[in-house]
Amino acid sequence: QKEVEQNSGPLSVPEGAIASLNCTYSDRVSQSFFWYRQYSGKSPELIMSIYSNGDKEDGRFTAQLNKASQYVSLLIRDSQPSDSATYLCAVNTPEGNNRLAFGKGNQVVVIP
Amino acid sequence: NAGVTQTPKFQVLKTGQSMTLQCAQDMNHNSMYWYRQDPGMGLRLIYYSASEGTTDKGEVPNGYNVSRLNKREFSLRLESAAPSQTSVYFCASSEILDWYNEQFFGPGTRLTVL
Repeated sequence: QKEVEQNSGPLSVPEGAIASLNCTYSDRVSQSFFWYRQYSGKSPELIMSIYSNGDKEDGRFTAQLNKASQYVSLLIRDSQPSDSATYLCAVNTPEGNNRLAFGKGNQVVVIP
Repeated sequence: NAGVTQTPKFQVLKTGQSMTLQCAQDMNHNSMYWYRQDPGMGLRLIYYSASEGTTDKGEVPNGYNVSRLNKREFSLRLESAAPSQTSVYFCASSEILDWYNEQFFGPGTRLTVL
């Protein structure tokens, strides 16, 4: 089982709608979780960190964590064309000096 | 603050040539990382340095060596480049406190090995 899995395939959403991205992880003892945004040809940019069960909101972004079910999600409200990017889920693994395990990413396309 | 900087931005090598990718951070972070990113493979950790003076292998270390020159700088060396090392290389840094490990990435080096 892969450490971090994200839904395959691009997600197309109309401008102004909510984009929902999901991520599951295999290591039950993982403690911290991150979402990165990566524009084409650019480097990953940290947009959300979450450490406790529940929701964390930052502007139009909401991260949701459920450790019992081992998933973390990202909601993008009022999606804008500038949100079109690939979103990477990352999970802190307790072994190996807190190495981050990354999912392969989900591409989001916001259609004007 | 520049954050994490990398040089060069682009590089083309011939098989068997060597080169060093440079990375520096000005955030006073203890930990630094080298990743490669390939289509369909996601980000994979090559080497990391938890603190100055230490380095450890990541997921895909073969064909690479690293040097943590000081707290700011962490270099990645390809001794004999192979076409399989064509990739985008990212350096990152973080300050690890308990489970806190927010990593910040440099702009990347796009390497082609012919």
